[in-house]
Formats: sequence, structure tokens, C-alpha cells
Amino acid sequence: SQTIHQWPATLVQPVGSPLSLECTVEGTSNPNLYWYRQAAGRGLQLLFYSVGIGQISSEVPQNLSASRPQDRQFILSSKKLLLSDSGFYLCARTSRSTDTQYFGPGTRLTVL
Amino acid sequence: GQQLNQSPQSMFIQEGEDVSMNCTSSSIFNTWLWYKQDPGEGPVLLIALYKAGELTSNGRLTAQFGITRKDSFLNISASIPSDVGIYFCAGAYFGNEKLTFGTGTRLTIIP
Repeated sequence: SQTIHQWPATLVQPVGSPLSLECTVEGTSNPNLYWYRQAAGRGLQLLFYSVGIGQISSEVPQNLSASRPQDRQFILSSKKLLLSDSGFYLCARTSRSTDTQYFGPGTRLTVL
Repeated sequence: GQQLNQSPQSMFIQEGEDVSMNCTSSSIFNTWLWYKQDPGEGPVLLIALYKAGELTSNGRLTAQFGITRKDSFLNISASIPSDVGIYFCAGAYFGNEKLTFGTGTRLTIIP
């Protein structure tokens, strides 16, 4: 089966601290990978997507960055968190044969 | 850019009632997707539609890909408590790696 793992599940960080969220995918090769952010009670905002190793497209200019060091690994980072970075971060994948996206369980980030 | 209007924004219904929600787009899509999100969890794919006019069911859920390719609807029959959540539509266009998401419909069941 094709599974998406996100780590950690929840995170509380102080303003100005660094961030690293990890997404790993099982059961599929060469997927497109996506990072979304969702504010409380709101819709999904696409942050980054990747069509292959080392290939990152940024959708929204901000203090976040993404990297794809391996085919099935997608990392979201920040050097200095802002209060506005709080939210629910979702990783998603597609396969080459379809536009359908499947989501991971998410990471709840609270910046204090 | 493409925009998706999803309506209604929220629904308050009694258990057993049927539910209908829809999405309309300013431009055509080749794929329509419907997701459900429970609190604190990632969205789960309910139904995927790949062909204009296609009508697809998944249990009590039925979704249709509009003939114009600019709209889609989702119906839920005989709602039950576990149907509570936020429903999102999403559209995709060939050659575009990104989905366009609707703003969501929050479904609440009144006891």
C-alpha cells in the first residue's frame, strides 16, 4: 500500500527557533510531493511542490523553505519561525499516472 | 488564475437528511476530486472523477463531473453522525502539477 508519514505529529516552538518537518512516502516511486498549510478552520494553501529529487517549486514567498534529498522524502524548514507560521502542515503525493493527491496525517505546529 | 467557488460554506442538518454541495470553476478542469477532513487529520479522498459527465458513487456518496467541465457536485444520502467534517472539492488540469482547492463546506449534524 502507498503510505505517507509525517513527523512530528505535533510541535510547539518559540518564535525565532528553527523548524524541520519531515514527510516520507512508501509504496510508490518518483511521486510528485507537496507541502500545504492550513490555518484553523480555513482551506489549504499550497506552499511548495516537487516533481523530483532536488526540484522545488515555491508558491508563496515566506520564511519557509523545502528540500527533497531523496525520492520519497520531502522536508519543510525554517531558520527562524514567526507567529504566523502556526498552523496545520500537510504533505501530499501523487503518482505519475494521475493528478489525484493523497494526504498524510499532518503536523500541528504552534509558534509561541 | 483558476478559482473554485464551493457552496455552501456550512450546513446544519439533522441525521438522516440528504446533503448536496457543489463547486464551480472559472475555467475547465480534467479531474475533479472530493475530500473529507476530520478535525486534526489530513483530508481523505472520497471520490475522483476523470471524465466530463461521469457520475460516480461511493456508498452513500455520489459525485458528478459537470458536462461543461467547470463544475462538480457531491451528494450524501441519509446522513449519519460520522459524516460531520469539512468537505473540499479540488480540480486539476492536464500538465499542471497543482490542484486548485475549494474553500470547503463544513457539515454539522444537529442532534
